[in-house]
Parts: sequence; structure tokens; C-alpha cells
Amino acid sequence: GAGVSQSPSNKVTEKGKDVELRCDPISGHTALYWYRQSLGQGLEFLIYFQGNSAPDKSGLPSDRFSAERTGGSVSTLTIQRTQQEDSAVYLCASSFQGAYQETQYFGPGTRLLVL
Amino acid sequence: SQQGEEDPQALSIQEGENATMNCSYKTSINNLQWYRQNSGRGLVHLILIRSNEREKHSGRLRVTLDTSKKSSSLLITASRAADTASYFCATVFQGAQKLVFGQGTRLTINP
Repeated sequence: GAGVSQSPSNKVTEKGKDVELRCDPISGHTALYWYRQSLGQGLEFLIYFQGNSAPDKSGLPSDRFSAERTGGSVSTLTIQRTQQEDSAVYLCASSFQGAYQETQYFGPGTRLLVL
Repeated sequence: SQQGEEDPQALSIQEGENATMNCSYKTSINNLQWYRQNSGRGLVHLILIRSNEREKHSGRLRVTLDTSKKSSSLLITASRAADTASYFCATVFQGAQKLVFGQGTRLTINP
């Protein structure tokens, strides 16, 4: 079946603008994760959705970042009033149950450049 | 930091040689996972090893886990040019609800 997909692949925006990044998880996966990866760095956890539970937002770096997951499937990560330090690759992953004991399946990422 | 730390940060070897990467962590874990990333894009899961396991194999990959030393190693045998990538260890700490990634090892296989 299809893997995790993300759109857009690349996004260039001007400082101060808002951006929306989209993630389509693997069908049937109840857990969805967002990570951020700066150039040459490891992954930084942002937010975690599990079924109908309240999301774990503990990794969001500021209140400019928010995420939604509609209908337990597609998720949108929104960055308001973008700053240059927001430039990074934003990766989405999903897993079957999200017990952290499982494999996470990653999308190709969205490369965000804030000018 | 609870992060796993990979060692070395970069490794360059000749095709056909074996590559060994190490990961160390600081607190007790439930499991440890290794991922590969090509060209700064999505990660691909390689192996998951649980805290009560000591060694796992998958094709040319061999992962060991030493919980007494809080360390793991990933061995790639008979390396190929296609193995060129960044390799990350990720740990699930006991009592935590996050998968924490290290900074990665950049592996280059020279033809």
C-alpha cells in the first residue's frame, strides 16, 4: 500500500508569512508524529497524535507552531509568522498503534526555507 | 540530555569493508531502533532491538545491545555504495512517551 506522504516537498516563504504543511499517514495507522530536522542535525520531536487522545504537544518550540489531525487521518502542521530559524526539513511519521514500541514509517519530508 | 549519541559522527570506508557505528544512551530503555536516512529526507526503519535482547540480524545488518554499558552497535557487513547514508539510533526510555533520536553517523562508502 501507499506510504506516508507529505506536501509540499519544498516550500520557500518570506519571514512573517504563515505556512501549512500536510501529512497523509498510512491508512489504518492510529499514531502520527511530527519532527523537525535542521541541517546536519538529528530529529527534534514536535507533536504526537494517538487516536482520539489529546495530542502530546510538548515538543512544539513556540506558540507559533500548531498542528491538527482531522478525522484521525490527515494532519496539518501550521507555522505562523515564520522566522528564519524555522528553516528545516519537517518530517511526518505514522505507526500502527503508537505505543513507542513500534516501527515508525516516515514520509519524505517538507523542506522549508524562510527567507 | 537523554539523547542517544552516535559515534563516530562521520565514517568513510571502501566498498566491501565492514562499517560499525555505535550509540550510547544515559537512562534505561524499553527498546532501541536504528534508522537510515538518504539525502536528508525520510527515514527508513532498519532494526528494533528490545531491552531484553542482546543481538539481532537482518541481512547484512547486525545490531547488538549492551544494557549494562548503555550502548548499541550497528554493523553493516560487505558494504556497498548504496549504503551511503546517515544512520540514526533512536531510543524509547522507560516511562517516557517519546522516541528520542541521536545526531546520527554519516557513512560514506567509497567505490
